[in-house]
Amino acid sequence: DIQLTQSPSTLSASLGDTVTTTCRASESVSGWLAWYQQKPGKAPKLVISQISSLRSGVPSRFSGSGSGTEFTLTITNLQPDDFATYYCQQYNIYPWTFGPGTRVEIK
Amino acid sequence: QVQLQESGPGLVKPSETLSLTCTVSGGSMSPYYWNWIRQPPGKGLEWIGFIYYAGTTNYNPSLKSRVKISVDTSKKQVSLRLSSVTAADTAVYYCAREKVTDAFDVWGPGTRVTVSS
Repeated sequence: DIQLTQSPSTLSASLGDTVTTTCRASESVSGWLAWYQQKPGKAPKLVISQISSLRSGVPSRFSGSGSGTEFTLTITNLQPDDFATYYCQQYNIYPWTFGPGTRVEIK
Repeated sequence: QVQLQESGPGLVKPSETLSLTCTVSGGSMSPYYWNWIRQPPGKGLEWIGFIYYAGTTNYNPSLKSRVKISVDTSKKQVSLRLSSVTAADTAVYYCAREKVTDAFDVWGPGTRVTVSS
């Protein structure tokens, strides 16, 4: 299985900050890397697919980058609605796997 | 727009079979993959498996011996059966639609299943 690690596990930030979380894969996932946002008691929501493709309706302050085995999710001008847990997921090689998540909390 | 809704018993006894249904509304089942994903309390996400609308399946090897996913396109339903459950199977179970290039783009709200006697 492809193992995904995320860092940091928790990130404390203030409104208006720019935050970045990193996802590292145990082997190349090519371009098949997605990011999800999950709020407590809710289903995950797809934010970015194929490393950097922003989903319709997702604010442009979200962006993704990377290649091969290292990827980043960046949120600029952090807004109240952005405080959540973010998971990366690879869909290059079965079984599909998720990272353990980065929780973005209010400082 | 398409919506997914999971349903099934919220409590299952150890060693029994967990059975859940995902009902699709507002959209077609083709040409998508229909996945089950679970999340134990306070933990991360685990992919269980998928069924293509035409019937092809793929399961997580960690669960393969106990899982069966089926589809009824006439009812627009996808079903999950997980046998010989233990407390480790306690989780929120989600169904999610997958497009080949778009990962899991639509999710149901999830249903909580507790395994306990």
